[in-house]
Amino acid sequence: GQNIDQPTEMTATEGAIVQINCTYQTSGFNGLFWYQQHAGEAPTFLSYNVLDGLEEKGRFSSFLSRSKGYSYLLLKELQMKDSASYLCAVLPPDADKLIFGTGTRLQVFP
Amino acid sequence: KAGVTQTPRYLIKTRGQQVTLSCSPISGHRSVSWYQQTPGQGLQFLFEYFSETQRNKGNFPGRFSGRQFSNSRSEMNVSTLELGDSALYLCASSLMTTNEKLFFGSGTQLSVL
Repeated sequence: GQNIDQPTEMTATEGAIVQINCTYQTSGFNGLFWYQQHAGEAPTFLSYNVLDGLEEKGRFSSFLSRSKGYSYLLLKELQMKDSASYLCAVLPPDADKLIFGTGTRLQVFP
Repeated sequence: KAGVTQTPRYLIKTRGQQVTLSCSPISGHRSVSWYQQTPGQGLQFLFEYFSETQRNKGNFPGRFSGRQFSNSRSEMNVSTLELGDSALYLCASSLMTTNEKLFFGSGTQLSVL
């Protein structure tokens, strides 16, 4: 079976750092994506990891451990505009479609 | 470069009716996929079209169907609507496959009464 787990909601303070975790159990692995979705808007691509390690892109970083079936998205220097849902999606090797988690709704407070 | 365009933005239907949603992908993108998004289930894959052919299909009943035209525009149809079909329907396009960066439209919010 294929299962992806993310926390449902998180809160943080402006200027802080927050880590959003994603664990997956799939019958193999071919890559992991993170998308950001503001309320009422389209999801937008944030990152793609296929190898173990940390990928840094400005204030956002994404980490992957394939042996542990684990990824996290790290957001630094939080801003109010970072309040959004963050979707983790896994690509199993035998499938041509992404499997999405239910998303983590992040609220940033002043 | 225009993004992915979905129409209509909002739709209200009653049980038993049928509905057609439209998606225009980014110019040059040949893969169009459809997702259903609900608060409890997240994004659920419906199907993917490439070069006017359905290439992949999710676990949805046959009431959900789609097609793609020669200009890569795609339509999704839901027949005999049920209350549980109320959801945000998202379309995403990519150059060739769904295992690359997807560009999503803003979706069609369907409410079934």
